[in-house]
Amino acid sequence: DGGITQSPKYLFRKEGQNVTLSCEQNLNHDAMYWYRQDPGQGLRLIYYSQIVNDFQKGDIAEGYSVSREKKESFPLTVTSAQKNPTAFYLCASRKTELNTEAFFGQGTRLTVV
Amino acid sequence: QKEVEQDPGPLSVPEGAIVSLNCTYSNSAFQYFMWYRQYSRKGPELLMYTYSSGNKEDGRFTAQVDKSSKYISLFIRDSQPSDSATYLCAMEETSYDKVIFGPGTSLSVIP
Repeated sequence: DGGITQSPKYLFRKEGQNVTLSCEQNLNHDAMYWYRQDPGQGLRLIYYSQIVNDFQKGDIAEGYSVSREKKESFPLTVTSAQKNPTAFYLCASRKTELNTEAFFGQGTRLTVV
Repeated sequence: QKEVEQDPGPLSVPEGAIVSLNCTYSNSAFQYFMWYRQYSRKGPELLMYTYSSGNKEDGRFTAQVDKSSKYISLFIRDSQPSDSATYLCAMEETSYDKVIFGPGTSLSVIP
């Protein structure tokens, strides 16, 4: 079945460590997005990419990095520079056409221990 | 001022009630408007997508956009317990641009 898959579902990180969250889609979508969700703040955009080998910073990119080497994959690395990384991370993808919806993965809950 | 404002609730209504969810925004360049529903610990799913002022209806859901007032609404008729979720409004300046979300409104429909 076509869809967007995030892994792992739950992730624990020690302070000072980098961790990478996986996002894979087989929908043939050009655009992919990473959002962070905190209670009461909705979804905030971290990074987005509209084409392979290109990506743009969102509103809260500091402490995060991404790559887009393949159309299907858009991994997010949470670096040790991110001071408050505990959150729910959502990946989304969509076609780059008019009036198209973004499809979301089921999210990764990251906890710093 | 945040770009998109939304009453966080929680909003609690009896089954069968009409629910009104609202968002205001400050960026007059927003052209495309969406409503997403998110169940607990799940990814959001799209309910409605509109790109013009006026109403759009889909089953029990009606999306309303008033660009002159920078105000959008989602109405749910005959609300059901299965409608209990967080509702997120979202908008963007151009299609497939970065999507900006509101903080979400938590809705509970009581049987």
